[in-house]
Amino acid sequence: RKEVEQDPGPFNVPEGATVAFNCTYSNSASQSFFWYRQDCRKEPKLLMSVYSSGNEDGRFTAQLNRASQYISLLIRDSKLSDSATYLCVVNHNNDMRFGAGTRLTVKP
Amino acid sequence: SQTIHQWPATLVQPVGSPLSLECTVEGTSNPNLYWYRQAAGRGLQLLFYSVGIGQISSEVPQNLSASRPQDRQFILSSKKLLLSDSGFYLCAWSVKAGGRTDTQYFGPGTRLTVL
Repeated sequence: RKEVEQDPGPFNVPEGATVAFNCTYSNSASQSFFWYRQDCRKEPKLLMSVYSSGNEDGRFTAQLNRASQYISLLIRDSKLSDSATYLCVVNHNNDMRFGAGTRLTVKP
Repeated sequence: SQTIHQWPATLVQPVGSPLSLECTVEGTSNPNLYWYRQAAGRGLQLLFYSVGIGQISSEVPQNLSASRPQDRQFILSSKKLLLSDSGFYLCAWSVKAGGRTDTQYFGPGTRLTVL
């Protein structure tokens, strides 16, 4: 089992749709979690940090379920500019593990 | 504010040639520094990390090496490149926060093609 697993997608959704990504992790002692966004041929940029049960920032909501060892990212009212790859990152004792990413395309 | 620089942005090198990629951070002191590689369509793989000058930890055995000659400078090197070294190389930094790694911030990356 991979340490961090994500559905690679692609997710193709129309503008205004709500889309959710899941990420599962194998180390139950993981301490903190992050979602990064990566545009094509660019560096990853931090989208959200998740230290407790969840976090909300505008149209983006991240939730953490420690019992089931998964993190989710919900995007409401999708914009064309949300098209990117979303990386799930799990931290355990200063060891950050990255998922391979979920690709999202928002279409007009 | 903190900024992180990497150069060059793009590099095409022949097999067997040497490599030197540089990363510098501004606006912070004593950061943790990291080198990652991202192969096409794959996740980020941690190559090296450093918690201070001259302190380098290697995550995977390979023909790459890293050095940290100054507090905010991190260098990735190779004496002889392999075809499999092609990829997107990303440098990142984080603040030391009570022993727990805080959020990592990435530089713009170097896209390396080995021919």
